[in-house]
Amino acid sequence: NAGVTQTPKFQVLKTGQSMTLQCAQDMNHEYMSWYRQDPGMGLRLIHYSVGAGITDQGEVPNGYNVSRSTTEDFPLRLLSAAPSQTSVYFCASGRPTGTNTEAFFGQGTRLTVV
Amino acid sequence: LAKTTQPISMDSYEGQEVNITCSHNNIATNDYITWYQQFPSQGPRFIIQGYKTKVTNEVASLFIPADRKSSTLSLPRVSLSDTAVYYCLVGDPLYNQGGKLIFGQGTELSVKP
Repeated sequence: NAGVTQTPKFQVLKTGQSMTLQCAQDMNHEYMSWYRQDPGMGLRLIHYSVGAGITDQGEVPNGYNVSRSTTEDFPLRLLSAAPSQTSVYFCASGRPTGTNTEAFFGQGTRLTVV
Repeated sequence: LAKTTQPISMDSYEGQEVNITCSHNNIATNDYITWYQQFPSQGPRFIIQGYKTKVTNEVASLFIPADRKSSTLSLPRVSLSDTAVYYCLVGDPLYNQGGKLIFGQGTELSVKP
């Protein structure tokens, strides 16, 4: 199993451009989520999904859209990139079980908006 | 979701035991306590999770007192490779499973030779 795969690993955007960060997991997990991490900070939840067709907002959703058409994929769309969105983005997945309730994270996408 | 408070940073030396305490005064009855480890340029990695008393696995131990208002992550005999940021999370396990994790500032542990 590859686990959680994020693409691209690095991206530079110009202000106003749009793009999609990809996240795919091959563990058949119901739960997926997106986080951003700014330098020296903890992760902040952007959007999350508890299953295909279901999404909800996290702590910092403004400027981002998500959709969950399949169990495996949970793309994050930046509608009009701004310098304030320069950050490292992490995707995570997990499933509801009674024990060992861990989340699995991808390696991250480092985004720079100039 | 319960707010957590941890030390911003800690220093240790190789071979020592490290204890990182997390305060969570408003923990709810259904909440579990989960710790993650994050190395530079990597996503967080699950270390341990518990509800009460003591939990131990091959990596760490988690001590939770009866009132559950705090918890302590114990790393036995740390090595240089344990240098990382450690996050304490408190919440309903339904959401802890990658659905809705709320991270605090974390504790940056630096292990020196």
